[in-house]
Amino acid sequence: AQMVQSGAEVKKPGDLLKISCQGSGYSFTSQWIAWVRQVPGKGLEWVGSILPGENRMRYNSSFQGQVTISADKSITTTFLRWSSLRASDTAMYYCARVQTGSQFDRWLDSWGQGTLVIVSS
Amino acid sequence: QSVLTQPPSVSGTPGQRVTISCSESASNIGGHPVHWFQQLPGTAPKLLIFSDDRRPSGVPDRFSGSRSGTSASLAISGLQSEDEADYYCATLRDTLTFVFGSGTRVTVL
Repeated sequence: AQMVQSGAEVKKPGDLLKISCQGSGYSFTSQWIAWVRQVPGKGLEWVGSILPGENRMRYNSSFQGQVTISADKSITTTFLRWSSLRASDTAMYYCARVQTGSQFDRWLDSWGQGTLVIVSS
Repeated sequence: QSVLTQPPSVSGTPGQRVTISCSESASNIGGHPVHWFQQLPGTAPKLLIFSDDRRPSGVPDRFSGSRSGTSASLAISGLQSEDEADYYCATLRDTLTFVFGSGTRVTVL
């Protein structure tokens, strides 16, 4: 499996933004894909996940309403969208495929290279 | 605030064995399998250990994981300079909600 993300973005507060992650080498519709945020110099935070084949999403409560995760099965790509960026959204964002062993045993096995989002006036 | 507690840093000399602990807080008690990621400087995280103690293909057997109840640990035997990185544990809070540890910086002296 390979996950390839879109390039770095520099935006202003209030701007709209949509970044992408294209999956290949596996059954795109049948496995969850997660988005993970990493603020510069800080740790990893799970943003949310999507199951492209059923268009099911699950969000971290801290990000609910702040971002939207979507997918386009025809191009095996998932998206992370902001309708109004804030300076605090400045971070590296990673996508990763979710591998499942059992109901409570899931892990992120293939990661994208990351998309750096900088929000500054 | 992370619900998985890791030491901020550990260090060792080449060839030494170091361990990194990962403990769940009471708010995340679930006792689900734990996974470990290595993040080399300036790169994306990489899966190192999954399902407590399983290594993906290509990961050296110097890396090993274990878990007892709500505490897990990652051991690096025969520490090498290329092991200098940040290490994160992770688990599920429910069937789909991931939580990460606070991260541990490993320094090779």
